[in-house]
Amino acid sequence: GAGVSQSPSNKVTEKGKDVELRCDPISGHTALYWYRQSLGQGLEFLIYFQGNSAPDKSGLPSDRFSAERTGGSVSTLTIQRTQQEDSAVYLCASSADPGAEAFFGQGTRLTVV
Amino acid sequence: AQSVAQPEDQVNVAEGNPLTVKCTYSVSGNPYLFWYVQYPNRGLQFLLKYITGDNLVKGSYGFEAEFNKSQTSFHLKKPSALVSDSALYFCAVRVRKTGNNRKLIWGLGTSLAVNP
Repeated sequence: GAGVSQSPSNKVTEKGKDVELRCDPISGHTALYWYRQSLGQGLEFLIYFQGNSAPDKSGLPSDRFSAERTGGSVSTLTIQRTQQEDSAVYLCASSADPGAEAFFGQGTRLTVV
Repeated sequence: AQSVAQPEDQVNVAEGNPLTVKCTYSVSGNPYLFWYVQYPNRGLQFLLKYITGDNLVKGSYGFEAEFNKSQTSFHLKKPSALVSDSALYFCAVRVRKTGNNRKLIWGLGTSLAVNP
């Protein structure tokens, strides 16, 4: 596709339910990032995939969070047993190489009620 | 530890005046440097980057930034601010090395308000 695509754009879920967020990066981009952003705040790093290397999971806030990237392309961020504090906009970005800029998707707004 | 600092949470300028949004970094080696903008209720958009060469880089919407190696800074500037420039601005740095340790490191953002 022309850009980074994230789905769904909005998700409302009940506390305790599991959710899956999807990211389709730009074709050929080797780097993929997941971030979380609360309203008007900065970017909270979650996880980083780079090519075939083991992902950098250092930003995942708890073991309820996990992510995978299949075939070096599509990525899924899974949040198990959602809590109200998980409510935020989840952003995905991809980039082609270290010197290239990252392109962001429009994000998934997650609301846990 | 590698880090990016945006020392001002908020910058206020009058329309038509020059603006500066500050960014300093601490990384090993020579970095790649980026500025992004986020308009209200919008995604992040790339503004400009420094890779190598001329220390002054020009980007979208009339913005420019100057790489200063001795001061480890990459301040964003615009000669004449517009009300439509009001947004959240993020500075980011990426290290030049192979392997998995090449993730982008982000500042916390600076909210720019341009007053008419």
